[in-house]
Amino acid sequence: NAGVMQNPRHLVRRRGQEARLRCSPMKGHSHVYWYRQLPEEGLKFMVYLQKENIIDESGMPKERFSAEFPKEGPSILRIQQVVRGDSAAYFCASSPGPGTSGGAAGAGTDTQYFGPGTRLTVL
Amino acid sequence: AQKVTQAQTEISVVEKEDVTLDCVYETRDTTYYLFWYKQPPSGELVFLIRRNSFDEQNEISGRYSWNFQKSTSSFNFTITASQVVDSAVYFCALSPYNTDKLIFGTGTRLQVFP
Repeated sequence: NAGVMQNPRHLVRRRGQEARLRCSPMKGHSHVYWYRQLPEEGLKFMVYLQKENIIDESGMPKERFSAEFPKEGPSILRIQQVVRGDSAAYFCASSPGPGTSGGAAGAGTDTQYFGPGTRLTVL
Repeated sequence: AQKVTQAQTEISVVEKEDVTLDCVYETRDTTYYLFWYKQPPSGELVFLIRRNSFDEQNEISGRYSWNFQKSTSSFNFTITASQVVDSAVYFCALSPYNTDKLIFGTGTRLQVFP
C-alpha cells in the first residue's frame, strides 16, 4: 500500500546551492500539489501540477522556485540559490483528479493525500 | 477572503478526557469542502475527514466526531476519551469550489498526558 513518497526526508544545503525535492504520487493519482510549512505555521499552497502541465502556481515565489511533473518519473520541486528563509518542511500531496471523489468540479474537491515531507535546512 | 482560523494554539488534557478542537472558516462560496488532518510528532500529515458544504450531518468515527455548523461557519473536531497517541498537531483546511488548493489553519497542538 504505497502512499505518497518523498525524498529525501532531510536535506541540508549551504546558501547559494540548489535543492531538489522529489515526490512520487500514490498509485493511480495524476495530480500533485506542493505545500510549504514554515516552523510553527500551517501549510501554504505553492503549486499544483498534472502530468507535464503546471495548472496553478499562484503560491510559488516568483524567483528561484520551479516545479515539474514529467510524463515519466516523480514530480520535482527545485529551489535555486537557496537562502536561509527557504528552510522549511516541504510537503507533496496527490489526488486522483477531478470528479473521481464525487466532487462537482475542480481538483480541489478531491481529498489530497500527503507524503511524509522533506525538511530542508539551509546553513 | 478565504481563511481558516484555529484559535486554540495549544491544548493539554489528561488521558480519557474529551477534547474539542475549534475551526472557523471564511468563504463567499456556497460550495466548498472542509478537511481535518493530523500531524503526529513524526511529521507526516494524516487525512482524517473531508466534508462538503451541503452535508451538515455530524459524523462519528470511533472516538472522533465532527460538528459542522454552516450558521456559525464552524467545523469542530471532538476526540472522546483521549489517548496519549492522539498527541499531535491538528489542522483544519478549506477547499473552495473549483479550486485546487487547500487553505490551512495554523493548527492546534494537542498534548495528551498519561
